Amino acid sequence: KQEVTQIPAALSVPEGENLVLNCSFTDSAIYNLQWFRQDPGKGLTSLLLIQSSQREQTSGRLNASLDKSSGRSTLYIAASQPGDSATYLCAVRRGSSYKLIFGSGTRLLVRP
Amino acid sequence: GAGVSQTPSNKVTEKGKYVELRCDPISGHTALYWYRQSLGQGPEFLIYFQGTGAADDSGLPNDRFFAVRPEGSVSTLKIQCTERGDSAVYLCASSASTGLSSVAFFGQGTRLTVV
Repeated sequence: KQEVTQIPAALSVPEGENLVLNCSFTDSAIYNLQWFRQDPGKGLTSLLLIQSSQREQTSGRLNASLDKSSGRSTLYIAASQPGDSATYLCAVRRGSSYKLIFGSGTRLLVRP
Repeated sequence: GAGVSQTPSNKVTEKGKYVELRCDPISGHTALYWYRQSLGQGPEFLIYFQGTGAADDSGLPNDRFFAVRPEGSVSTLKIQCTERGDSAVYLCASSASTGLSSVAFFGQGTRLTVV
């Protein structure tokens, strides 16, 4: 059974700091991995999607990496801003299924 | 519409009652998903529709839960004999195609509270 773990559960950093969020999964037979952002009381916004054949994806100040063999992904946020404060969720999809399996998220606070 | 719309945004119901939660996906999106999110947890998959048919309903917790999408657009999640443990945020998502690489767009969710 696929399990997705995100560490840390919560993180507080000063504005301007570079930071890394971690995601690990137990079954390496994934089709792709996505990182989402969730603001309080809101739905999820897809940030980056990495196919299993890819090593990383970049969008603006965000960079996501994937190491399928070790079951790990990281989300790197450069020059963090207070507007980055949100919960970040990673989710994996197996090749045989359309369902996304989510981690519990990392709650990020960027202090001005 | 511009995004996935879910109604109502909040629903409070008494234990034992029946509730319906509605999802309007992005126009033209073929695939539709329902997820359930408890406080402090990530969303958990409930059901996936390709067009009008439920392609995967393995996440529905028991037979009190049912979902339909009769015309391949709007979907309704139905919960019978609600229990306090059903309290959660119910999220709907849609994607343009049924391909595994298609990005899912999520609605803001319906917060269900069973008292």
